[in-house]
Amino acid sequence: DVKVTQSSRYLVKRTGEKVFLECVQDMDHENMFWYRQDPGLGLRLIYFSYDVKMKEKGDIPEGYSVSREKKERFSLILESASTNQTSMYLCASSSRGVSSYNSPLHFGNGTRLTVT
Amino acid sequence: GDSVTQMEGPVTLSEEAFLTINCTYTATGYPSLFWYVQYPGEGLQLLLKATKADDKGSNKGFEATYRKETTSFHLEKGSVQVSDSAVYFCALSETSGTYKYIFGTGTRLKVLA
Repeated sequence: DVKVTQSSRYLVKRTGEKVFLECVQDMDHENMFWYRQDPGLGLRLIYFSYDVKMKEKGDIPEGYSVSREKKERFSLILESASTNQTSMYLCASSSRGVSSYNSPLHFGNGTRLTVT
Repeated sequence: GDSVTQMEGPVTLSEEAFLTINCTYTATGYPSLFWYVQYPGEGLQLLLKATKADDKGSNKGFEATYRKETTSFHLEKGSVQVSDSAVYFCALSETSGTYKYIFGTGTRLKVLA
């Protein structure tokens, strides 16, 4: 089974801090994604990466950056945390085959971040 | 752009009741369609998928049929259990080569014993 591991289940940070959320997958997937989940808004894509050192903006990239130095690891960075970034953050991965759009996403258990 | 609309929750049912959660989509091309389930305190898990028109995805007693003519992918289960209480998300994957997935807002299901 694919395993996507997020380093923290809960984080509490102060406004203005630099925050790192780490995600590791063990199935050699090419594609990795960061979403945030908020009540009534569903999942919104922050950034995704389809290869090492490659990154693409999602729908809400403002205030975030990402790093993918190794295939298995995809980090989300909040450069200067703000209270409106309090949310559940979900990492996911998928394979990139010939019909990559058929490949489902595999999710981690999420990191609940609170910014005070 | 592509979008997914699913019914608002919460949906509250008694055990053994019939479940329908509606999902409709707008998309260019022919996306793959997915249902994911999120149990409390966990990430999302794939429940079922369908990759072309008239395909039926099924898993754990849940079913959904890809209806191109009505752009729908409704989730059904004949007899729900308390353990089915969760949030259900409908999603599509774009076929434009962007590797992006579009999610609905989720429907919370509560099943009472």
